[in-house]
Amino acid sequence: QKEVEQNSGPLSVPEGAIASLNCTYSDRGSQSFFWYRQYSGKSPELIMFIYSNGDKEDGRFTAQLNKASQYVSLLIRDSQPSDSATYLCAVNRVGTGRRALTFGSGTRLQVQP
Amino acid sequence: GAVVSQHPSRVICKSGTSVKIECRSLDFQATTMFWYRQFPKKSLMLMATSNEGSKATYEQGVEKDKFLINHASLTLSTLTVTSAHPEDSSFYICSAGPGRNLPGEFFGPGTRLTVL
Repeated sequence: QKEVEQNSGPLSVPEGAIASLNCTYSDRGSQSFFWYRQYSGKSPELIMFIYSNGDKEDGRFTAQLNKASQYVSLLIRDSQPSDSATYLCAVNRVGTGRRALTFGSGTRLQVQP
Repeated sequence: GAVVSQHPSRVICKSGTSVKIECRSLDFQATTMFWYRQFPKKSLMLMATSNEGSKATYEQGVEKDKFLINHASLTLSTLTVTSAHPEDSSFYICSAGPGRNLPGEFFGPGTRLTVL
């Protein structure tokens, strides 16, 4: 079992729709959860982080965390073609320490105009 | 805040030569920096963790004598690919963090290495 699992996609949604990206993790001790966006040929860019169960909203993005189910998701409302990218879920296994994040393999999102 | 630069952005070299890549945190101090490599359409692979003033910690399977890491200051880490071969061609990305009040890691723009 991978430590952080994501469906590779592609996830295709029409412009203006809600894109829902999902991630599960295996380590119950994980405390910090991050979503990165990576455009083709570019490096990852941090877009959201969440520590507590529930929802966290930032503009069109909402991160959702359910530690009991070991599940974290990212919702993108009013999807735009510019949102087309690979979205990486990352988990910090030791909370806010200095250990590197564990990344999922990413979900490719395609927003159709 | 949380800007990380990386230089060069692209390098082409001949087989057998060494290539140095610099990673700088521009607006925050990062006691820890990380080096990743990524092959086309593949996920990030952590190579090593670099701590300021101490030896880097390499992931299993990464040759420390081939990928030399130096973290001489709180804002600069370097990766040297020694005696590069075509199979070392990849996208190398550094990251820094967390910083004070800055959770997560912040990535440099990456260096695309092509070894002929």
